[in-house]
Amino acid sequence: RKEVEQDPGPFNVPEGATVAFNCTYSNSASQSFFWYRQDCRKEPKLLMSVYSSGNEDGRFTAQLNRASQYISLLIRDSKLSDSATYLCVVTRYNNNDMRFGAGTRLTVKP
Amino acid sequence: DTAVSQTPKYLVTQMGNDKSIKCEQNLGHDTMYWYKQDSKKFLKIMFSYNNKELIINETVPNRFSPKSPDKAHLNLHINSLELGDSAVYFCASSLGDEKLFFGSGTQLSVL
Repeated sequence: RKEVEQDPGPFNVPEGATVAFNCTYSNSASQSFFWYRQDCRKEPKLLMSVYSSGNEDGRFTAQLNRASQYISLLIRDSKLSDSATYLCVVTRYNNNDMRFGAGTRLTVKP
Repeated sequence: DTAVSQTPKYLVTQMGNDKSIKCEQNLGHDTMYWYKQDSKKFLKIMFSYNNKELIINETVPNRFSPKSPDKAHLNLHINSLELGDSAVYFCASSLGDEKLFFGSGTQLSVL
């Protein structure tokens, strides 16, 4: 079983749609969780951290379920510019060891 | 100013050659990393250094040797390049807390 698993997609949604991604992780000792975004042929960039209580940043909402060992990302009112690959990241034992999921590809269409 | 810079951006070489990729960060971070992203886009950690000390060394062939002359630099040397080494290699740095800052990547093509 992979340490961090994501549905690779692709997710093809119309502008304005709401889309959700899930990510599961295998190590129950994992401490920190993040979503990164990677545009085609670019480096990954931090989208948001994921906190136990859940957190929101504009149209983006991230949630963590430690009991079931998954995190989620909800994007509301999708924009064309949201088209990218979304990477789930989990720290293994400490914040120096960050493990990436394979990513979920999102395409938002007009 | 570029926070994490790596060179070269593209590297095309023949099998069996030895090549190096350089990485420098001007963020004052203590921790630097090398990640490999293969053709399936899976980003996998290779090495991590903290203040010039190796702290993570994944199952990577011995042909890959990282070198950190100081905490602002982490270079990657690859001996006897193989076809399977073709990938995009990303350098990254962090304060060890949360956010990883990535370089723009080096696309390595082994012919």
